Amino acid sequence: EIVLTQSPATLSLSPGERATLSCRASQSVSSYLAWYQQKPGQAPRLLIYDASNRATGIPARFSGSGSGTDFTLTISSLEPEDFAVYHCQQRRNWPLTFGPGTKVDIK
Amino acid sequence: EVQLLESGGGLVQPGGSLGLSCAASGFTFSSYAMSWVRQAPGMGLEWVSTSGGSTYYADSVKGRFTSSRDNSKNTLYLQMNSLRAEDTAVYYCAKSISVASSQIFDYWGQGTLVTVSS
Repeated sequence: EIVLTQSPATLSLSPGERATLSCRASQSVSSYLAWYQQKPGQAPRLLIYDASNRATGIPARFSGSGSGTDFTLTISSLEPEDFAVYHCQQRRNWPLTFGPGTKVDIK
Repeated sequence: EVQLLESGGGLVQPGGSLGLSCAASGFTFSSYAMSWVRQAPGMGLEWVSTSGGSTYYADSVKGRFTSSRDNSKNTLYLQMNSLRAEDTAVYYCAKSISVASSQIFDYWGQGTLVTVSS
């Protein structure tokens, strides 16, 4: 099973700041990594798939990069609605696995 | 508009059974793989099962859970047997983004809570 590790666990930032979230895989997942955003009481929302492809309707301030074992989600300038938990997920191998999440909260 | 509506959650005793449903609309259901993903209270997401041409299960539920679908009713099902306390979670159904990429989830339902407790 591929284990995903996310860092930091919590990121405290102010609106307008840049957020950089990391996801590391225990073995190569090639580019088969997705990012989801989840707000309290809501279902996850797909942001990025296959490392760097923005999903439909996702603003350009969200970008993804990386390949192999190290991946980054960048939010260029935080909007108030971006404070949430972010999960990464690999689809390189079954079983599909998610990281534990990074919470982006307001500083 | 894509809509996924889960139902069937509730309180069940350890060792008991429960069946979940996910009614889909707004897309050609039969053309897409569908998945179940769960989230224990205060925890991260855990993939449970994906049903497309084949069906895959997480080891934690294999042999106890069965995912099926009725394409004529646009509905995905999850039959859960021999339930344990650790199965307590919100269960989401999720649609795959494309026919070729069954493991990317572009639409999710609102979730249904399953509580396993005596």
